[in-house]
Formats: sequence, structure tokens, C-alpha cells
Amino acid sequence: AQTVTQSQPEMSVQEAETVTLSCTYDTSESDYYLFWYKQPPSRQMILVIRQEAYKQQNATENRFSVNFQKAAKSFSLKISDSQLGDAAMYFCAYRFVYGGSQGNLIFGKGTKLSVKP
Amino acid sequence: ETGVTQTPRHLVMGMTNKKSLKCEQHLGHNAMYWYKQSAKKPLELMFVYNFKEQTENNSVPSRFSPECPNSSHLFLHLHTLQPEDSALYLCASSHQEGQGHGYTFGSGTRLTVV
Repeated sequence: AQTVTQSQPEMSVQEAETVTLSCTYDTSESDYYLFWYKQPPSRQMILVIRQEAYKQQNATENRFSVNFQKAAKSFSLKISDSQLGDAAMYFCAYRFVYGGSQGNLIFGKGTKLSVKP
Repeated sequence: ETGVTQTPRHLVMGMTNKKSLKCEQHLGHNAMYWYKQSAKKPLELMFVYNFKEQTENNSVPSRFSPECPNSSHLFLHLHTLQPEDSALYLCASSHQEGQGHGYTFGSGTRLTVV
């Protein structure tokens, strides 16, 4: 069964600095998607960035980028120029390409990010 | 609003009450999900509906009863709950075929069982 592990329960970053959140996953599949979701105090889970496993190029969305290491099964999120609004829980998630129960989104336990002014 | 609306936002209920949570989406998605989010635990997938048919029930106690009358609406009927059922209940939807698009989530219902 696929699993997603986030080893940092909490992280802290100074405003305008850069922070990296770690995520590892376990799967025997070669085709899958990886996601980072943000959950602010408003509770809304918001998709931050996604990565297709067959693409070697790391995904980037403005200040958010990932370091995808397929062989190591690692998928870290880098937030550059951190802003107060980035404070939230961040969840790493995995989804198998094909349908069925394996196609459901599997989440890690999350990392709580605090941003200091 | 992200396109997935959950009501109510907060709910306090006694252990003998019966209540229902509602989820609605008009994104044209054909899969809908219920998740339970408790403190210090991973998100737990409870139920999955594809094209109105339940395709997954992750050993959820029978005091939780889902209903999906159409692809746009999903309910979670609650009865005789326990205090440990207090949690944030999140609804999500997706294109079943578009696995790469992830899910769109609602803001959740914060449930407290007293």
C-alpha cells in the first residue's frame, strides 16, 4: 500500500526567508501524481502545486517549487520569500494515475508552518 | 468559495441526536469524497462515490451513513455518535478520470459531539 510521510510536524521561517518542507512516499508504481496542499486556519484545503511522476522537470508556481527525486521517492516543497499568509498546515499527497481505490488521494500527516514577522 | 460548499460550518450534537452534513459542488466533477480530520492524525478517507455509486467504505462505523442522490450532492447522515467522532469533516470532489488534477475541497464542518 502507498504511504506518505512528512517527518516535520512543525516548521518555522522568518518572513522573506526560504523554507523547505520534506515529504517522502512509498509506492511500487511508476505512474502517479504528487501534490502539496495548504490548509490555513480557514480550514480550506487549497492545492498549491502538483507534479507528474513521468516529468523530470520540477514543478514551479510563483514562490512555490518542488524538488522531486523519483528514485529516492522524495518530494519536498520550497517556499521562497515567505509571507505571513503562508502560515498554514501543509499536506503532501500522492495519487496513482489510474482509477479504483488506488486512485484515491493519500495524505501525509502534515507540517505546521509558522511565519515570523 | 472554491466550488465545493459544505453546510453547516459548525455543528454541536448530543450522542442521541440525528443530524446530516451536506456537500454540494457544481464543478462538473463525478467523484465525491468524505474525509475525517482529527487532531494529530492523518486525514482519513471515509467514503468515495463515483457517478453516484459508492465505491469505497473504509471500515466506517454504521453510525455514519452517506448518501449521494446525484453527482452534485453528497450527504453524511449522523446518528448516535460518540465523543471521539468529534472532528472536522471535509468533503471533496474530483474528475475521476483526471487523476492529475487533485481534489477540490470544501471548508469542512466542525463537529462536536457532547
